[in-house]
Amino acid sequence: KAGVTQTPRYLIKTRGQQVTLSCSPISGHRSVSWYQQTPGQGLQFLFEYFSETQRNKGNFPGRFSGRQFSNSRSEMNVSTLELGDSALYLCASSLAPGPYEQYFGPGTRLTVT
Amino acid sequence: GEDVEQSLFLSVREGDSSVINCTYTDSSSTYLYWYKQEPGAGLQLLTYIFSNMDMKQDQRLTVLLNKKDKHLSLRIADTQTGDSAIYFCAEMLGSSNTGKLIFGQGTTLQVKP
Repeated sequence: KAGVTQTPRYLIKTRGQQVTLSCSPISGHRSVSWYQQTPGQGLQFLFEYFSETQRNKGNFPGRFSGRQFSNSRSEMNVSTLELGDSALYLCASSLAPGPYEQYFGPGTRLTVT
Repeated sequence: GEDVEQSLFLSVREGDSSVINCTYTDSSSTYLYWYKQEPGAGLQLLTYIFSNMDMKQDQRLTVLLNKKDKHLSLRIADTQTGDSAIYFCAEMLGSSNTGKLIFGQGTTLQVKP
C-alpha cells in the first residue's frame, strides 16, 4: 500500500507570495492533519480535516488555510508569505479522527526569501 | 494544559540499550506515540500505546507507560548506528474526538560505533 505523498517536496518563494501544498493520504484513510516543523517551535498542529470538513485548527493566523476534497486529498494554502513561514510542512493521514495510527508523509520544505 | 517534555540529547555505544524518556501533562491522553525522524525526512511511526496499557513490546522496542506519573519511555535494545535519529513522543488528547497530536521537542539519539 502506498504511503502518504506530498507535493512538491521543495519550494522557494518570495515574501508576499502565496503557496499551495498538496497531500494525498493512504488509500482508505479519510482524515488528514497538517503540521508545521521549525527548529525554534518544533512540531505544531495546523489543522485537521475529515469528510471535507475542518474539525480542528491550531493557533495560526488566518493566512493559513486548507481544504479537503471528496477523495480525501488535502491542500493547504499560505497567503502573503513571511520569512517566518519557512518550515517543513508535514501531512499525516489516519482512518478517521480520534485514537488511530497516524502516518506522516515526507513533508514539503518551504523556504521564503 | 497541553505539554510534552523530552530530554534533548542521548549518546550511547552501539550494542547498548537506549532509553528515551518523555513526560506529558494531560491525564485525558488516549494514545501515546513514538516517532523517528532521520535527516531530511518525515516522521516514521515506530510504535504507540493505549493509555490503559503499562507496556508494549515490538521487536527491539519496548514502551513503558506510568500513567500515575504521566511518564513514557522508549527502550531500544541492541542499538545500532542506523538508529541515530531524532525521536519524538506525542500524545493524543482524549478530551475531544480529534486526531490532534501534541509533540515533544524531540530527543537526538547519537549512536557511537
